[in-house]
Amino acid sequence: DAGITQSPRHKVTETGTPVTLRCHQTENHRYMYWYRQDPGHGLRLIHYSYGVKDTDKGEVSDGYSVSRSKTEDFLLTLESATSSQTSVYFCAIMTASTDTQYFGPGTRLTVL
Amino acid sequence: GEDVEQSLFLSVREGDSSVINCTYTDSSSTYLYWYKQEPGAGLQLLTYIFSNMDMKQDQRLTVLLNKKDKHLSLRIADTQTGDSAIYFCAESPPNFGNEKLTFGTGTRLTIIP
Repeated sequence: DAGITQSPRHKVTETGTPVTLRCHQTENHRYMYWYRQDPGHGLRLIHYSYGVKDTDKGEVSDGYSVSRSKTEDFLLTLESATSSQTSVYFCAIMTASTDTQYFGPGTRLTVL
Repeated sequence: GEDVEQSLFLSVREGDSSVINCTYTDSSSTYLYWYKQEPGAGLQLLTYIFSNMDMKQDQRLTVLLNKKDKHLSLRIADTQTGDSAIYFCAESPPNFGNEKLTFGTGTRLTIIP
């Protein structure tokens, strides 16, 4: 599982509230990613990071921000959650040895 | 831009072979991947193939790549109930190396006893 954990695993929140999801890895990988998974869309990249304090946008970054102050943690923040952000969120890392991405267990977020 | 397409559903009898297909539009992709997602779980990397290869075999899994037609397939031999899952193909566009992946919509494989 490449030592990836996500917290919380489930969250229900109300429209307009801020939400922060955490991804934690234990193996010092440089690249980390946040995806969302929705029926009919597969996985879509929200943001990714290529080092501490180095981040870039993915294809669906509007309404999301990220931070990476330590190698092991990559945070995804919804500043003001909307119902369209109800989804399952996956964190991933990329291993330098094989250039492949490995995924965390996911966080199911419901915005009412 | 890149677009990866898959059929949404596939049903196969237990013991038969399953073939899951994927088409992609970026002929310069360097790597192509297959991931498996079981219910309530994250994506598990099954296998990948480098773009200069035509075929890769790993136990019950065979990946075929037709670069001319931009077609990728995953064949699962002797399909078992534990193979029930959603299967995603993904490509790594050359301009981003392997730093970004583009995923298909996923194919839900159902095993008929």
